[in-house]
Amino acid sequence: DAKTTQPTSMDCAEGRAANLPCNHSTISGNEYVYWYRQIHSQGPQYIIHGLKNNETNEMASLIITEDRKSSTLILPHATLRDTAVYYCIVRDPLQGKLIFGQGTELSVKP
Amino acid sequence: NAGVTQTPKFQVLKTGQSMTLQCAQDMNHNSMYWYRQDPGMGLRLIYYSASEGTTDKGEVPNGYNVSRLNKREFSLRLESAAPSQTSVYFCASSERQHYGYTFGSGTRLTVV
Repeated sequence: DAKTTQPTSMDCAEGRAANLPCNHSTISGNEYVYWYRQIHSQGPQYIIHGLKNNETNEMASLIITEDRKSSTLILPHATLRDTAVYYCIVRDPLQGKLIFGQGTELSVKP
Repeated sequence: NAGVTQTPKFQVLKTGQSMTLQCAQDMNHNSMYWYRQDPGMGLRLIYYSASEGTTDKGEVPNGYNVSRLNKREFSLRLESAAPSQTSVYFCASSERQHYGYTFGSGTRLTVV
């Protein structure tokens, strides 16, 4: 599975969009990009995933660059409850396991 | 719909004791996983079961054994607990394909 690089921490003002970047320059053609988050002491929570096209669901949007070497998770209107560690993971769904890196610690501030 | 249920939620063991962590899912998922998370660290995969009747090692399998008892249940056993196994243990399940994993709420294990 390809490795990912994320900033260690980020801050965001409540009500503003939170844009979390992820680099995955060695991603292969059949690997998807997944995002999970972990609120303190809880189990990780699935957010969204994508292969090539941009994706949106009720939680977030995922923007993947055309060369697929990087992506951005967007939380359109961050709330205090979005404070968590966000993990970007690339994985071949038919072969690879979900391997977590260090993630980005997002702090949403009033 | 309970999702993924882990028992116990908390446990303290003495070095050398054994115990089994239980995990059950009610979503009819094919695959199940055990992870551990040390303080300030990301999750590391211990063992996984791609389907009923199969198990495979993950990143950190040493000191652990697993049993996929049936499609619903996947247990993790520590035969002789060591302080280095003090951690939070998460069980997860997923469909065979690429939809997201569902995680349990974790078992907090301390080995003294």
